[in-house]
Amino acid sequence: NAGVTQTPKFQVLKTGQSMTLQCAQDMNHEYMSWYRQDPGMGLRLIHYSVGAGITDQGEVPNGYNVSRSTTEDFPLRLLSAAPSQTSVYFCASSPGTGMRVLNGYTFGSGTRLTVV
Amino acid sequence: AQSVSQHNHHVILSEAASLELGCNYSYGGTVNLFWYVQYPGQHLQLLLKYFSGDPLVKGIKGFEAEFIKSKFSFNLRKPSVQWSDTAEYFCAVNRKTSGSRLTFGEGTQLTVNP
Repeated sequence: NAGVTQTPKFQVLKTGQSMTLQCAQDMNHEYMSWYRQDPGMGLRLIHYSVGAGITDQGEVPNGYNVSRSTTEDFPLRLLSAAPSQTSVYFCASSPGTGMRVLNGYTFGSGTRLTVV
Repeated sequence: AQSVSQHNHHVILSEAASLELGCNYSYGGTVNLFWYVQYPGQHLQLLLKYFSGDPLVKGIKGFEAEFIKSKFSFNLRKPSVQWSDTAEYFCAVNRKTSGSRLTFGEGTQLTVNP
């Protein structure tokens, strides 16, 4: 099915461990982004990409790395997990640039991460 | 300070009651405005959006929202809610100076009792 696929759906990490959250889309969308969702704080932008090879920081980038080697994939890496990174993570993609992006955000189903 | 603010974090209504969820933003300049809904266990889905023109916009499932520029507000309304409207609702704002980035409000959890 077309859409944004996130894996895993659930993950428990120990403090200091590293891991990669996967995000893939099959809609040939140029724009991809990662958000974290925390109670009472809504969704906050971590990193985003406007195309393969181009990434930029959002509101809360510290502790996270991203890369965009292909149009389809936009993995989010936690290099050394901390309890403060316990959250639900959403990947979103959208076609084109400018208004096309705003018209076409598609969200993945989320990854619930717990860091103990 | 939160740039997009949703006044109520948890709203509980009975079926057939009217709904209004508040959203205010603190940006000057031109903005694009959105309401998203997240049903339990699901991803965010677009309810409606405002880019320009008529400030009263209609979305899916009987929802509508009114952009009041002087009040920096974009409140979501529905005349008669259903149990199936139980979900979390997010207001989001795009500042035209920030490219395609969305800034979300804190979210409002709506519970509709049958």
